[in-house]
Amino acid sequence: EVQLVQSGAEVKKPGESLRISCKASGYSFTTFWINWVRQMPGKGLEWMGRIDPSDSYTNYSPSFQGHVTISADKSIGTAYLQWSSLKASDTAMYYCARIDQLWGQGTMVTVSS
Amino acid sequence: QAVVTQEPSLTVSPGGTVTLTCGSSTGAVTSGHYPYWFQQKPGQAPRTLIYDTSNKHSWTPARFSGSLLGGKAALTLSGAQPEDEAEYYCLLSYSGALWVFGGGTKLTVL
Repeated sequence: EVQLVQSGAEVKKPGESLRISCKASGYSFTTFWINWVRQMPGKGLEWMGRIDPSDSYTNYSPSFQGHVTISADKSIGTAYLQWSSLKASDTAMYYCARIDQLWGQGTMVTVSS
Repeated sequence: QAVVTQEPSLTVSPGGTVTLTCGSSTGAVTSGHYPYWFQQKPGQAPRTLIYDTSNKHSWTPARFSGSLLGGKAALTLSGAQPEDEAEYYCLLSYSGALWVFGGGTKLTVL
């Protein structure tokens, strides 16, 4: 089955670091870009950036450049989204997506003191 | 950064037809923006309905169609069903390296 399976919900404190994952299966991981999308509570979708898993080349939205890092490990078919220092404003649902046809189930990240 | 605009809300009667649009602050939307359309229902992940302006997936109901209309990308729903009530988002590509979502259209079937 073609799918993207994301890691589970996280509750963190401001200033902590975090890495969430997105594991692909059922297709050639290196053939399609993986995108990360943020959805803050009650708000719309925001494109954060994407990675080409074949060479780990990335593009970022200016709104997220420098605040998050997107990476991938093609040996295990997994993409990552990470923060070095979380803020309360990072509280949101995060989706990975092969936007042409495939979305992960989402990872809820809650940042609260 | 470009701003992508959608109608905040629209209402359609069951069996009726409605067109959702997606505009760009940089000018006319073209096929070179590779317009995508997504449907999201409450509590669910988005689902891709239309890619590259007008291409459908096997799961895309035939009543949905994508096009370019008057300098915008358009999603037309012909014969609305109650289950089509959802939030709809468009996504545009800018030079391939930057993608921007529209703010979403809340579609009510009433």
